[in-house]
Amino acid sequence: DGGITQSPKYLFRKEGQNVTLSCEQNLNHDAMYWYRQDPGQGLRLIYYSQIVNDFQKGDIAEGYSVSREKKESFPLTVTSAQKNPTAFYLCASEAGTSDYNEQFFGPGTRLTVL
Amino acid sequence: EDQVTQSPEALRLQEGESSSLNCSYTVSGLRGLFWYRQDPGKGPEFLFTLYSAGEEKEKERLKATLTKKESFLHITAPKPEDSATYLCAVRLFRGGATNKLIFGTGTLLAVQP
Repeated sequence: DGGITQSPKYLFRKEGQNVTLSCEQNLNHDAMYWYRQDPGQGLRLIYYSQIVNDFQKGDIAEGYSVSREKKESFPLTVTSAQKNPTAFYLCASEAGTSDYNEQFFGPGTRLTVL
Repeated sequence: EDQVTQSPEALRLQEGESSSLNCSYTVSGLRGLFWYRQDPGKGPEFLFTLYSAGEEKEKERLKATLTKKESFLHITAPKPEDSATYLCAVRLFRGGATNKLIFGTGTLLAVQP
């Protein structure tokens, strides 16, 4: 079955540590996205990539970094510079840059800072 | 400022009691409105895309409609399994540079048997 996988499902980080969240898709989609979800707030865009080896900052990119070396993979690193990283992180992919494409989401990773 | 507002924040219905969820938006250059369903601890599941005022889409007990300023998600004779958070998102046109979506905060629907 085609879809998006995220790992791990739960992640605990000590203050000062960098952690990397995995996102893989086998939908052959060109575009991939990272969102952060906090209680009472809408999904907020962290980074997005419309093509391999290219990515752009979203609305809340500070303290995060990404790479897009393969079409299937878009890992997100939460660095120690991110002051409030505890949240639910969602990865999404989209077939292309047409207005008519919907974004499909992975199951999410819940990150907790200890 | 581009904004998407969903109401109510929470809605409790009895099984079979029909109702509607609202998504209003104040954006320039709308290029589509999307509805998603999200179960606790899971990623959003795509439901509908609407592109132009007057458009309607249906799926089982759900029907989505769109006007120039808002969208409604009508739920007819809901069942307990329809309980979830329903998210609305709008796609903006920004000169073709991005397909950015702006999300509302969602409506938490609880359907009691």
